[in-house]
Amino acid sequence: AQSVTQLGSHVSVSEGALVLLRCNYSSSVPPYLFWYVQYPNQGLQLLLKYTSAATLVKGINGFEAEFKKSETSFHLTKPSAHMSDAAEYFCAVSDGGSNYKLTFGKGTLLTVNP
Amino acid sequence: DTAVSQTPKYLVTQMGNDKSIKCEQNLGHDTMYWYKQDSKKFLKIMFSYNNKELIINETVPNRFSPKSPDKAHLNLHINSLELGDSAVYFCASSQELDTQYFGPGTRLTVL
Repeated sequence: AQSVTQLGSHVSVSEGALVLLRCNYSSSVPPYLFWYVQYPNQGLQLLLKYTSAATLVKGINGFEAEFKKSETSFHLTKPSAHMSDAAEYFCAVSDGGSNYKLTFGKGTLLTVNP
Repeated sequence: DTAVSQTPKYLVTQMGNDKSIKCEQNLGHDTMYWYKQDSKKFLKIMFSYNNKELIINETVPNRFSPKSPDKAHLNLHINSLELGDSAVYFCASSQELDTQYFGPGTRLTVL
């Protein structure tokens, strides 16, 4: 069975500071990994995904994530936070494309202080 | 040009009632999903249909019945609503095992 752990339910950064949201996964097969963002009262929007190609994945809005198999991690980063980045971020895993099921982490709320 | 749309956006109803939520996608995808997001923002898959065939049913009570009249639509009917059914329900779609695209959600409140 696959699972995702997001460390830190709430991360607070200052505008312009580095954003680091942590995600560790568990999967018995090579995983596909995703980061989604949810703005208040909206649906989920895909930020980026890893599907066994390059381990450093670039997404929208300046976000990127690095797949590290040895650490079973897929942390999300952005060099400089903007106020508009404030949202809930979800890491998700599927088992390498052989299963339609997407398993989500519990989410990390990012707040950006002026 | 909404890709995945849901109706209604808000649904307030009494315990014991029966209600439906509709989902439509115009992306030409062959797979659709229903997810439930609880009050703590936890997202869990409920059902998935591929080409109108049920492929995922995640230990959801029988009171929940999905129906897919065609590849572009996946509706969710809920019988005998309970307080614990209050949540935000998201529809999503994908082309086979590719990225899932989510709708805006339906906030269900059971009184």
